[in-house]
Amino acid sequence: GEDVEQSLFLSVREGDSSVINCTYTDSSSTYLYWYKQEPGAGLQLLTYIFSNMDMKQDQRLTVLLNKKDKHLSLRIADTQTGDSAIYFCADRMDSSYKLIFGSGTRLLVRP
Amino acid sequence: ETGVTQSPTHLIKTRGQQVTLRCSSQSGHNTVSWYQQALGQGPQFIFQYYREEENGRGNFPPRFSGLQFPNYSSELNVNALELDDSALYLCASSLDGTSVGEQFFGPGTRLTVL
Repeated sequence: GEDVEQSLFLSVREGDSSVINCTYTDSSSTYLYWYKQEPGAGLQLLTYIFSNMDMKQDQRLTVLLNKKDKHLSLRIADTQTGDSAIYFCADRMDSSYKLIFGSGTRLLVRP
Repeated sequence: ETGVTQSPTHLIKTRGQQVTLRCSSQSGHNTVSWYQQALGQGPQFIFQYYREEENGRGNFPPRFSGLQFPNYSSELNVNALELDDSALYLCASSLDGTSVGEQFFGPGTRLTVL
Protein backbone atom coordinates (compact mmCIF):
# COMPACT_ATOMS: atom_id res chain seq x y z
CA GLY A 1 0.00 0.00 0.00
CA GLU A 2 0.93 3.64 0.01
CA ASP A 3 3.48 4.57 2.64
CA VAL A 4 5.77 7.52 3.36
CA GLU A 5 8.60 7.21 5.88
CA GLN A 6 10.67 9.91 7.55
CA SER A 7 13.30 9.99 10.26
CA LEU A 8 11.88 11.35 13.51
CA PHE A 9 14.41 13.92 14.65
CA LEU A 10 17.23 16.14 13.39
CA SER A 11 19.34 18.58 15.38
CA VAL A 12 21.66 21.12 13.71
CA ARG A 13 23.59 24.21 14.69
CA GLU A 14 22.42 27.61 13.51
CA GLY A 15 24.09 28.50 10.19
CA ASP A 16 24.65 24.88 9.18
CA SER A 17 22.71 23.09 6.44
CA SER A 18 19.88 20.69 7.34
CA VAL A 19 18.94 17.69 5.25
CA ILE A 20 15.61 15.99 5.91
CA ASN A 21 15.00 12.68 4.18
CA CYS A 22 11.86 10.87 3.07
CA THR A 23 11.14 7.59 1.31
CA TYR A 24 7.88 6.60 -0.35
CA THR A 25 6.49 3.41 -1.84
CA ASP A 26 4.00 4.63 -4.44
CA SER A 27 5.08 4.13 -8.08
CA SER A 28 2.46 6.47 -9.50
CA SER A 29 3.43 9.60 -7.61
CA THR A 30 2.90 12.79 -9.58
CA TYR A 31 3.97 15.47 -7.14
CA LEU A 32 5.83 15.36 -3.85
CA TYR A 33 5.49 18.15 -1.32
CA TRP A 34 7.24 19.50 1.73
CA TYR A 35 5.17 21.09 4.48
CA LYS A 36 6.27 22.84 7.69
CA GLN A 37 4.25 22.77 10.91
CA GLU A 38 5.03 25.01 13.85
CA PRO A 39 3.64 24.24 17.33
CA GLY A 40 -0.13 24.63 17.52
CA ALA A 41 -0.41 25.62 13.88
CA GLY A 42 -1.59 24.16 10.59
CA LEU A 43 0.65 23.08 7.74
CA GLN A 44 2.52 25.58 5.59
CA LEU A 45 3.40 24.50 2.06
CA LEU A 46 7.13 25.08 1.55
CA THR A 47 7.79 23.64 -1.88
CA TYR A 48 6.94 20.80 -4.22
CA ILE A 49 8.58 18.85 -7.01
CA PHE A 50 7.10 17.16 -10.05
CA SER A 51 7.95 13.48 -10.29
CA ASN A 52 9.88 13.84 -13.57
CA MET A 53 12.30 16.35 -12.03
CA ASP A 54 15.52 15.53 -10.19
CA MET A 55 16.05 18.80 -8.37
CA LYS A 56 14.30 22.02 -7.53
CA GLN A 57 15.81 25.05 -5.82
CA ASP A 58 13.80 27.76 -4.11
CA GLN A 59 15.90 30.32 -2.22
CA ARG A 60 17.35 28.46 0.80
CA LEU A 61 15.47 25.26 -0.04
CA THR A 62 16.73 22.52 -2.35
CA VAL A 63 14.64 19.45 -3.10
CA LEU A 64 16.30 16.34 -4.51
CA LEU A 65 14.28 13.45 -5.93
CA ASN A 66 15.66 10.02 -6.73
CA LYS A 67 12.71 8.36 -8.42
CA LYS A 68 14.50 5.02 -8.87
CA ASP A 69 15.09 4.70 -5.13
CA LYS A 70 11.85 6.56 -4.24
CA HIS A 71 13.87 8.93 -2.08
CA LEU A 72 13.14 12.60 -1.50
CA SER A 73 15.20 15.09 0.47
CA LEU A 74 14.85 18.69 1.59
CA ARG A 75 18.01 20.71 2.17
CA ILE A 76 17.75 23.97 4.10
CA ALA A 77 20.81 26.17 3.69
CA ASP A 78 21.97 28.49 6.48
CA THR A 79 19.46 27.05 8.95
CA GLN A 80 18.00 29.59 11.38
CA THR A 81 16.32 29.14 14.77
CA GLY A 82 13.04 30.11 13.09
CA ASP A 83 13.34 26.96 10.99
CA SER A 84 12.75 24.83 14.10
CA ALA A 85 9.51 22.97 13.38
CA ILE A 86 8.15 19.64 12.17
CA TYR A 87 8.62 18.96 8.47
CA PHE A 88 6.33 16.62 6.58
CA CYS A 89 6.82 15.15 3.16
CA ALA A 90 3.67 14.22 1.29
CA ASP A 91 3.07 12.11 -1.78
CA ARG A 92 0.31 12.78 -4.27
CA MET A 93 -0.76 9.83 -6.36
CA ASP A 94 -1.66 9.99 -10.00
CA SER A 95 -5.14 11.40 -10.75
CA SER A 96 -5.84 12.12 -7.14
CA TYR A 97 -5.68 15.05 -4.78
CA LYS A 98 -5.25 12.73 -1.82
CA LEU A 99 -1.97 13.42 -0.03
CA ILE A 100 -0.15 10.66 1.85
CA PHE A 101 1.94 12.16 4.65
CA GLY A 102 4.91 10.86 6.53
CA SER A 103 5.00 11.06 10.33
CA GLY A 104 7.14 14.19 10.24
CA THR A 105 10.72 15.07 11.14
CA ARG A 106 11.23 17.38 14.09
CA LEU A 107 14.04 19.83 13.30
CA LEU A 108 15.76 21.50 16.24
CA VAL A 109 18.13 24.37 15.47
CA ARG A 110 20.62 25.09 18.27
CA PRO A 111 21.98 28.64 18.66
CA GLU B 1 -6.63 37.18 -0.64
CA THR B 2 -8.17 35.42 2.37
CA GLY B 3 -6.54 32.20 3.54
CA VAL B 4 -8.21 29.05 4.83
CA THR B 5 -10.03 29.56 8.12
CA GLN B 6 -11.47 26.98 10.51
CA SER B 7 -13.80 27.14 13.48
CA PRO B 8 -13.84 26.54 16.32
CA THR B 9 -10.18 26.56 17.38
CA HIS B 10 -10.70 24.12 20.23
CA LEU B 11 -13.56 21.85 21.22
CA ILE B 12 -14.19 19.43 24.07
CA LYS B 13 -16.85 16.74 23.73
CA THR B 14 -17.75 13.52 25.52
CA ARG B 15 -18.02 10.03 24.08
CA GLY B 16 -21.16 9.42 22.07
CA GLN B 17 -21.74 13.08 21.25
CA GLN B 18 -21.79 14.59 17.78
CA VAL B 19 -19.59 17.43 16.51
CA THR B 20 -19.54 19.77 13.51
CA LEU B 21 -16.36 21.48 12.38
CA ARG B 22 -16.31 24.29 9.82
CA CYS B 23 -13.92 25.44 7.14
CA SER B 24 -13.84 28.40 4.77
CA SER B 25 -11.78 27.83 1.67
CA GLN B 26 -9.22 30.20 0.25
CA SER B 27 -10.78 32.64 -2.18
CA GLY B 28 -11.20 31.12 -5.65
CA HIS B 29 -10.69 27.51 -4.51
CA ASN B 30 -13.41 24.95 -5.32
CA THR B 31 -12.01 21.83 -3.65
CA VAL B 32 -11.70 21.08 0.03
CA SER B 33 -10.04 18.13 1.75
CA TRP B 34 -10.24 17.12 5.41
CA TYR B 35 -7.45 15.45 7.36
CA GLN B 36 -7.15 14.04 10.88
CA GLN B 37 -3.83 14.51 12.64
CA ALA B 38 -3.37 12.47 15.80
CA LEU B 39 -0.71 13.59 18.28
CA GLY B 40 2.78 12.87 16.96
CA GLN B 41 1.52 11.66 13.58
CA GLY B 42 1.18 13.01 10.07
CA PRO B 43 -2.24 14.01 8.75
CA GLN B 44 -4.49 11.20 7.53
CA PHE B 45 -6.85 11.86 4.62
CA ILE B 46 -10.54 11.69 5.56
CA PHE B 47 -12.30 12.84 2.38
CA GLN B 48 -12.40 15.47 -0.32
CA TYR B 49 -15.23 17.53 -1.78
CA TYR B 50 -15.30 19.08 -5.21
CA ARG B 51 -18.25 21.24 -6.28
CA GLU B 52 -20.41 19.92 -3.43
CA GLU B 53 -19.80 16.23 -4.21
CA GLU B 54 -17.60 13.79 -2.33
CA ASN B 55 -14.59 13.18 -4.56
CA GLY B 56 -12.68 10.54 -2.62
CA ARG B 57 -12.55 9.03 0.84
CA GLY B 58 -9.88 7.59 3.11
CA ASN B 59 -10.19 4.74 5.61
CA PHE B 60 -12.66 6.41 7.95
CA PRO B 61 -16.04 4.97 9.02
CA PRO B 62 -19.36 6.41 7.80
CA ARG B 63 -19.86 8.30 11.06
CA PHE B 64 -17.42 10.79 9.53
CA SER B 65 -19.42 12.77 6.99
CA GLY B 66 -19.10 16.08 5.24
CA LEU B 67 -20.75 18.79 3.25
CA GLN B 68 -19.57 21.43 0.84
CA PHE B 69 -21.71 24.47 0.19
CA PRO B 70 -22.18 26.55 -3.00
CA ASN B 71 -19.73 29.14 -1.66
CA TYR B 72 -17.21 26.25 -1.27
CA SER B 73 -17.16 26.42 2.52
CA SER B 74 -17.33 23.02 4.16
CA GLU B 75 -18.35 21.08 7.27
CA LEU B 76 -17.01 17.90 8.82
CA ASN B 77 -19.49 16.03 10.99
CA VAL B 78 -18.55 13.22 13.33
CA ASN B 79 -21.26 11.16 15.06
CA ALA B 80 -20.96 8.86 18.07
CA LEU B 81 -17.62 10.29 19.12
CA GLU B 82 -14.96 7.90 20.41
CA LEU B 83 -11.90 8.65 22.52
CA ASP B 84 -9.65 7.94 19.51
CA ASP B 85 -11.31 10.77 17.60
CA SER B 86 -9.30 13.20 19.73
CA ALA B 87 -7.01 14.92 17.21
CA LEU B 88 -6.28 18.05 15.23
CA TYR B 89 -8.66 18.29 12.27
CA LEU B 90 -7.27 20.13 9.30
CA CYS B 91 -9.01 21.30 6.18
CA ALA B 92 -7.16 22.18 3.01
CA SER B 93 -8.43 23.99 -0.05
CA SER B 94 -7.19 23.75 -3.60
CA LEU B 95 -8.16 24.74 -7.08
CA ASP B 96 -9.09 21.80 -9.21
CA GLY B 97 -7.87 21.93 -12.76
CA THR B 98 -4.36 23.00 -11.85
CA SER B 99 -1.83 20.28 -12.44
CA VAL B 100 0.04 20.99 -9.23
CA GLY B 101 -3.04 20.84 -7.02
CA GLU B 102 -1.35 22.66 -4.17
CA GLN B 103 -3.37 22.24 -0.99
CA PHE B 104 -3.39 25.15 1.42
CA PHE B 105 -4.15 24.24 5.01
CA GLY B 106 -6.09 26.04 7.70
CA PRO B 107 -4.87 26.29 11.31
CA GLY B 108 -6.98 23.32 12.40
CA THR B 109 -9.55 22.51 15.08
CA ARG B 110 -8.27 20.68 18.15
CA LEU B 111 -10.95 18.17 19.25
CA THR B 112 -10.71 16.51 22.64
CA VAL B 113 -13.09 13.63 23.42
CA LEU B 114 -13.46 12.75 27.11
